[in-house]
Amino acid sequence: ETGVTQSPTHLIKTRGQQVTLRCSSQSGHNTVSWYQQALGQGPQFIFQYYREEENGRGNFPPRFSGLQFPNYSSELNVNALELDDSALYLCASSRNWERTQYFGPGTRLLVL
Amino acid sequence: AQSVTQLGSHVSVSEGALVLLRCNYSSSVPPYLFWYVQYPNQGLQLLLKYTTGATLVKGINGFEAEFKKSETSFHLTKPSAHMSDAAEYFCAVSDRNAGNMLTFGGGTRLMVKP
Repeated sequence: ETGVTQSPTHLIKTRGQQVTLRCSSQSGHNTVSWYQQALGQGPQFIFQYYREEENGRGNFPPRFSGLQFPNYSSELNVNALELDDSALYLCASSRNWERTQYFGPGTRLLVL
Repeated sequence: AQSVTQLGSHVSVSEGALVLLRCNYSSSVPPYLFWYVQYPNQGLQLLLKYTTGATLVKGINGFEAEFKKSETSFHLTKPSAHMSDAAEYFCAVSDRNAGNMLTFGGGTRLMVKP
C-alpha cells in the first residue's frame, strides 16, 4: 500500500511569486487535507477536499487555494507569496468516514 | 473553537526513565484525540488515537495514553525511554460533530539523554 506522497520536497521562491504544491493520497483514501507548519509550531489546518470540492477551511486568506482531481490527488496553490508563508506544508489523506488522517513527508517552502 | 495545550515545549529524560508528555483540550464535548510523532525533516506519524470505548489506549513503540474526561486530558506515557524516542510529539483533536480536520497543540520536543 502506497502512502501519502508530496512534491517537491523543497522549494525556494521570492516574495510575490506563486507556488503549486502537489499531493498524492494513500490508496483507497478520498479526502485530502492541507496543513501549514511554521518553524517551531504545530500544524495549522488550511483546507480539506472531498469529491473535488472544498469541504472545510481554516483561517487562511483566499490567496491559498486548492484543487482535488478525480484520482483524489490534490494541489495547494499560494499566490502573492509573503515571507510568513515560509513553512512546512503537510498533506494528509483519509477515508471520509474515518477520523484518522495519514500524513505525507511535507514540502518545505522558503520565501525570500 | 477547539484548542489544545501541551505543557512543556521541551522535555528531557534519561534513557530508561518514564516519559510523560501532557496534553489538555478545551471542548464541552469530548473530541476525538490523537498523538502524532515527527522525526527531524519528516512528516507526522500516528502514535495512537482515542475515539470511543476504553480510555487507556495503546499505540506503537510502547506508548500509551489515557483519556480523562474530568480533567480534559490525554497525556502520553512510555514506561522506559529509548534514544530513538527523541522527536517532536503533537497532540491533536477533531470535533465529534464536524469533519475530521485536526487542531494541533504546539508540540513537545522530547530529548533522551544517554
